Amino acid sequence: GAVVSQHPSWVICKSGTSVKIECRSLDFQATTMFWYRQFPKQSLMLMATSNEGSKATYEQGVEKDKFLINHASLTLSTLTVTSAHPEDSSFYICSALSGSNNEQYFGPGTRLTVT
Amino acid sequence: QQQVKQSPQSLIVQKGGISIINCAYENTAFDYFPWYQQFPGKGPALLIAIRPDVSEKKEGRFTISFNKSAKQFSLHIMDSQPGDSATYFCAASGNAGNMLTFGGGTRLMVKP
Repeated sequence: GAVVSQHPSWVICKSGTSVKIECRSLDFQATTMFWYRQFPKQSLMLMATSNEGSKATYEQGVEKDKFLINHASLTLSTLTVTSAHPEDSSFYICSALSGSNNEQYFGPGTRLTVT
Repeated sequence: QQQVKQSPQSLIVQKGGISIINCAYENTAFDYFPWYQQFPGKGPALLIAIRPDVSEKKEGRFTISFNKSAKQFSLHIMDSQPGDSATYFCAASGNAGNMLTFGGGTRLMVKP
């Protein structure tokens, strides 16, 4: 089946630093990847849509200069949280769109804690 | 984003019972309705999905019922097991792969 990985699975960083999260489609190519944020006991909120070779499309209220998204290849998208603050602590989940069946496959998530 | 309303927020079912989770949507342009299962600390996993051209879809113990006129769809888990204890999310999109709009989630606990 289609597998999506994320790295790291968890990360702790200090306030003011930046952290990069990778999302990889392991056995299929994904022209589109999505980034979500999930706070405890809440639903997934779409942050941005990442298209290979072009700029990401951000949802309303998501700061594009704070959450930098790069989709440099058909199997890799990265989310960089810049100048992280404690309120950025959350569970970040990516999904990848398979071109063969048009299904979204989700990664296992990355737990970010900003101290 | 258009809303997808999910209920109940939490559900407790005895082992062997039927778990029923309901969702309602507003956007008539939605034509793809997946259900996801999420365990704590994990990403969501696709359980089952339906398109509006059918009123019901069954896969094993999981069944989606779809009512296009009422703009509602539901997930039924037959013979619920403790291992089914998880959070379930309904979602909707304009077509498979497009931006998904998620419901608020239902935390299911199946008691042994």
